[in-house]
Amino acid sequence: AQTVTQSQPEMSVQEAETVTLSCTYDTSENNYYLFWYKQPPSRQMILVIRQEAYKQQNATENRFSVNFQKAAKSFSLKISDSQLGDTAMYFCAFSASYTGTASKLTFGTGTRLQVTL
Amino acid sequence: EPEVTQTPSHQVTQMGQEVILRCVPISNHLYFYWYRQILGQKVEFLVSFYNNEISEKSEIFDDQFSVERPDGSNFTLKIRSTKLEDSAMYFCASNNRGNQPQHFGDGTRLSIL
Repeated sequence: AQTVTQSQPEMSVQEAETVTLSCTYDTSENNYYLFWYKQPPSRQMILVIRQEAYKQQNATENRFSVNFQKAAKSFSLKISDSQLGDTAMYFCAFSASYTGTASKLTFGTGTRLQVTL
Repeated sequence: EPEVTQTPSHQVTQMGQEVILRCVPISNHLYFYWYRQILGQKVEFLVSFYNNEISEKSEIFDDQFSVERPDGSNFTLKIRSTKLEDSAMYFCASNNRGNQPQHFGDGTRLSIL
């Protein structure tokens, strides 16, 4: 079984600054995917970014980037130029890479990010 | 952009009653999921569904729960006899391949009285 750990329950950042959210995971799988999902107060679940474990290059999506350290089983999210709309709960999630079958997401406990003026 | 839609957005039910939560996954998606999030807690996997059968279920998904794809578009979660601890936000998700990102609906808030 896999586990996902987010050790920062809450974080705060000023608008336009950079913040990094931490995530570690444990798995015996060789092929897997890692995700960051954002959950604003409306409680929707919005995909922020995805990393494929077999790719060494860190994923980026506009102001969002990850630092994926496979050996350390670490997957942090960096948000640059933070905006008020980034205020949300952020969940790190793991999915094994199975073809031809469904792959559940295993979520961490989340980090509540507050962006302030 | 296609969306996963869930109805109702909020369901209030008396303890012991049956409830059905409905989801319409994205039309070309083949894999379907239900997750639960108790208020203030993390999102937990309930069940996955593919090719008209359950692929995997968690220990939460006991005999009180069932899923069904009654037609080509809907995917439902039924709780046969609700308990107070079933109060939570229930999310439906889908993807077109098992290892692709899952698209989530907006959730159904279930309140058991």
